[in-house]
Amino acid sequence: DTGVSQNPRHKITKRGQNVTFRCDPISEHNRLYWYRQTLGQGPEFLTYFQNEAQLEKSRLLSDRFSAERPKGSFSTLEIQRTEQGDSAMYLCASSLNPGRQLGRGYEQFFGPGTRLTVL
Amino acid sequence: KQEVTQIPAALSVPEGENLVLNCSFTDSAIYNLQWFRQDPGKGLTSLLLIQSSQREQTSGRLNASLDKSSGRSTLYIAASQPGDSATYLCAVKRNYGQNFVFGPGTRLSVLP
Repeated sequence: DTGVSQNPRHKITKRGQNVTFRCDPISEHNRLYWYRQTLGQGPEFLTYFQNEAQLEKSRLLSDRFSAERPKGSFSTLEIQRTEQGDSAMYLCASSLNPGRQLGRGYEQFFGPGTRLTVL
Repeated sequence: KQEVTQIPAALSVPEGENLVLNCSFTDSAIYNLQWFRQDPGKGLTSLLLIQSSQREQTSGRLNASLDKSSGRSTLYIAASQPGDSATYLCAVKRNYGQNFVFGPGTRLSVLP
């Protein structure tokens, strides 16, 4: 399977605990995005990596959130001291450098998501 | 600030009908617009990608159009089937930055 994968698929945690999610992008994709989606809403942008560099962060990404992409491959998203308001689906997407994707620049491919429930 | 809206929020049609979903955006300085499908509790599946220089894209029974100057895109689904039941989302990428902005989606039910 060459699609975007995310683990775990579901996570239930108690308020105040730390959680970490992993995203494995499509292997040749150098761009990686994290989004958060709550029920009935579209995904909201959190952060973006080009290779290993985190180039853009949303104001939604409070200081309790941190994301990494060591070596420009997989990425992790950590939430510290979780709150009930963090309950959501966390989605990862990847895309190719537009220069290598003629006519399809920045087309995003999404993983299945990680559903977080904070009790 | 780019805002994306989708009308209607929900739609229920009998099988076989042709239907149109609408997406509107406030800032016409976009790089591209992408339509997605999302099944309940799942991730997003890319349907069609329209670059800002294009007017439409087609894939099978799906046709998406883009009118950048008026800030609108439509997704046309021909001969709808129960398997088309899902939430359909549009997303725009602005000319600057990597922030893709999504609409809230249209929840489609196709009744057998």
